[in-house]
Parts: sequence; C-alpha cells; structure tokens
Amino acid sequence: SQQGEEDPQALSIQEGENATMNCSYKTSINNLQWYRQNSGRGLVHLILIRSNEREKHSGRLRVTLDTSKKSSSLLITASRAADTASYFCATDGMGAQKLVFGQGTRLTINP
Amino acid sequence: KAGVTQTPRYLIKTRGQQVTLSCSPISGHRSVSWYQQTPGQGLQFLFEYFSETQRNKGNFPGRFSGRQFSNSRSEMNVSTLELGDSALYLCASSLAGVQETQYFGPGTRLLVL
Repeated sequence: SQQGEEDPQALSIQEGENATMNCSYKTSINNLQWYRQNSGRGLVHLILIRSNEREKHSGRLRVTLDTSKKSSSLLITASRAADTASYFCATDGMGAQKLVFGQGTRLTINP
Repeated sequence: KAGVTQTPRYLIKTRGQQVTLSCSPISGHRSVSWYQQTPGQGLQFLFEYFSETQRNKGNFPGRFSGRQFSNSRSEMNVSTLELGDSALYLCASSLAGVQETQYFGPGTRLLVL
C-alpha cells in the first residue's frame, strides 16, 4: 500500500490564489520530497525536506514537515495557469532505497 | 548535462510477449530507479540499482526484472505480458540513491493488447 496519502485528491482554484496540498505518511523517514507531473509525463522535482527540517522555501513554494504528525504540506503562492499539474509527495522510508509516492493531488488553475 | 532519457517512448505489445525498456541516466549518476504508474495503483516502485547491484525490489512478480550496466544505463524487462502491465514506466537517476533529488525521464508508455 502507498505510504503517502495526499489530500485533497483534486483542487481547483482561480489564478492568483494560493494552493495548499497535504501529505501524510506512515513510517519514519530520512526525507520527504515533492514532485510535479504534467499530463502523464515525467516527474519534476520541486523540493526535498529532511527529517530534521521543519520548513523550506523555493520561489513561490513553501513546504512544511511535521514528523510528530507524519505529515507535510506544500503551499504554492500566487498560482499561475502553468501550475496546473499533479503534485506528489514521496518518502524514502529510512534507507530502504525506494521512494513511496502518494496518490497525488490534481491541481487545476482557472484563468 | 543531458537529462534522463528513456527508449522507446511508446510501445504496443500483445499479451504473452516480452518487452525491454531502456533508461540512460544523467552522466555521473550511479543510482537508477524504476517506477510503474497506472491510474488505479498510482506510482509504484519496481527496483533500484546502484553500481550494477540491485539494492531493492518492489512487490512485483518475477516477470519483472532489471539490470544495470557498468556505464549506469539500465534496462527493465517484462516477460509474458498481461493486460494489466499497461502503464507508464518511469526511471529516475541520482548520484547515490533515493535520499537525494531524483531526476526522472519522460517515461515509456506501454500498451498491452
């Protein structure tokens, strides 16, 4: 079964609004990563946050990690049409040499 | 640097056939991972290779196999194809493993008829 679960499964907002996606996982991790996928293409790495970090920023992206609750959130500020994509969290499971992905959040930005 | 490349990009096979997919990682990357993506099961881990050694394998039947060559290029093979093997197969590379940023290829879309 998937270790990461994402919420919501789908999100539709207006351009310029902020989008927040949440991810929960089940076991201890070394790090958590967020990826974006456009229309069934390859995944693009967004941010990696390590288990000893609580927050990380990259441009319009902000990621938080709460290891006590085994959850993470991805905030996209000032959304653009080009942000329309599916977003996945992935966890590494403490040295297991595999990433376990959540089911993803399908984000639609309406002009 | 060139990105991760996967060949072929699209493939149509019939049940019972076998297929080999290829992945060329970013130059210098020694870790290659493979994932299967389907609408029903999402992204599922297949295997990870580092310096020609398989370090982990996902929960897939023995029909799924892979290997890595000395130049870090990797192949995966699926024998006796089933309809349910229709999927997008993605490979990802990194310098040392999944604890780092993974760079994904565009994927190979396999359709089994």
